[in-house]
Amino acid sequence: GAVVSQHPSRVICKSGTSVKIECRSLDFQATTMFWYRQFPKKSLMLMATSNEGSKATYEQGVEKDKFLINHASLTLSTLTVTSAHPEDSSFYICSGQGATEAFFGQGTRLTVV
Amino acid sequence: SQKIEQNSEALNIQEGKTATLTCNYTNYSPAYLQWYRQDPGRGPVFLLLIRENEKEKRKERLKVTFDTTLKQSLFHITASQPADSATYLCALDMYRNSGNTPLVFGKGTRLSVIA
Repeated sequence: GAVVSQHPSRVICKSGTSVKIECRSLDFQATTMFWYRQFPKKSLMLMATSNEGSKATYEQGVEKDKFLINHASLTLSTLTVTSAHPEDSSFYICSGQGATEAFFGQGTRLTVV
Repeated sequence: SQKIEQNSEALNIQEGKTATLTCNYTNYSPAYLQWYRQDPGRGPVFLLLIRENEKEKRKERLKVTFDTTLKQSLFHITASQPADSATYLCALDMYRNSGNTPLVFGKGTRLSVIA
């Protein structure tokens, strides 16, 4: 299957700072990538859809000014958590889409202290 | 909106037995249903996809069934091994008949295979 590389795998940051998470499609071009968030013992929840060359679309309840998404090329999408707070601590995962199945990055464990 | 339930949060079985996981959904008629494996601290890995017009799909020791009348999928692992221990996620296409749709996931069932 296709390979999606996500990093960092873990990050600890201070409250109020910003954190950037990168997601790269290594062997395919992704016009669209999806960003999910997963809290402990909860399901993956779609946060936003990242579209190459255009604005991202955000799910209801996700603040677009807090979670900045940039998809400047067909192989790279980034998610920046701005002014992070402890409640933003979670597992963030990106995915690219195949014909039907999704290919996920390794995930980023964000801890805001 | 779609709702997916994986009834068992955790399932423990003896090595060599068949593990059966259940996924039920409501408020939707998906074009297909997928199963993923997720290990701790990692992203999900695709296992199997079954389409609405298919009753059963097999891949090695894995078998998936899909009953669109009951709105249910069963996921079986035969001859289970300790290495099969992981969380298994059921997922549906969020937008039917869209070539580029995000997925809606269940909470997952954490399977533990005991040697």
